[in-house]
Amino acid sequence: GENVEQHPSTLSVQEGDSAVIKCTYSDSASNYFPWYKQELGKRPQLIIDIRSNVGEKKDQRIAVTLNKTAKHFSLHITETQPEDSAVYFCAALSIGYSTLTFGKGTMLLVSP
Amino acid sequence: KAGVTQTPRYLIKTRGQQVTLSCSPISGHRSVSWYQQTPGQGLQFLFEYFSETQRNKGNFPGRFSGRQFSNSRSEMNVSTLELGDSALYLCASSPDRVISYEQYFGPGTRLTVT
Repeated sequence: GENVEQHPSTLSVQEGDSAVIKCTYSDSASNYFPWYKQELGKRPQLIIDIRSNVGEKKDQRIAVTLNKTAKHFSLHITETQPEDSAVYFCAALSIGYSTLTFGKGTMLLVSP
Repeated sequence: KAGVTQTPRYLIKTRGQQVTLSCSPISGHRSVSWYQQTPGQGLQFLFEYFSETQRNKGNFPGRFSGRQFSNSRSEMNVSTLELGDSALYLCASSPDRVISYEQYFGPGTRLTVT
């Protein structure tokens, strides 16, 4: 089955800095890669996603890149703000299935 | 549209008991997936239902089961509870795997087994 590795497990940055979270996956059949943000005590919220036919996608301060050859994808957050502090999860989904395999999560702390 | 809802939000049970959790998907969504979230293991897939049929199942013992009704609402049941079953149980709904892969999570049910 699919295996998703996520790094780092914790990330501390200063407000205004950029943050990068990286994930690798094992199943070459995976074709959908979402990112979720989970604030303390709340549900995971889908913040951005990318499909295998796209190399990069941006949404304001958030961007995701995908390298299918290397089987890795990354989340980039620019101009970080304290409200970006949360746990971020990457996930991968294989063609023909609706099963998301999640990484272990990255706790992002943005200090003012 | 209203979001995914789950009931109850919190539950305390003792070992050996059984529990039923409920999930109501976003209106029009036909797929419901269940996940167990724990600090040590992260988010782990339990099972997925589509049009009242279980399509996929994760690596959990048979004590974990589920079903889906004709209105797409889903329930999961855990029998003979163990201390290790303490977790946040999340369900997520999705319109259809062909049209859209996006999954939207409910607030979860926090289960504590004592």
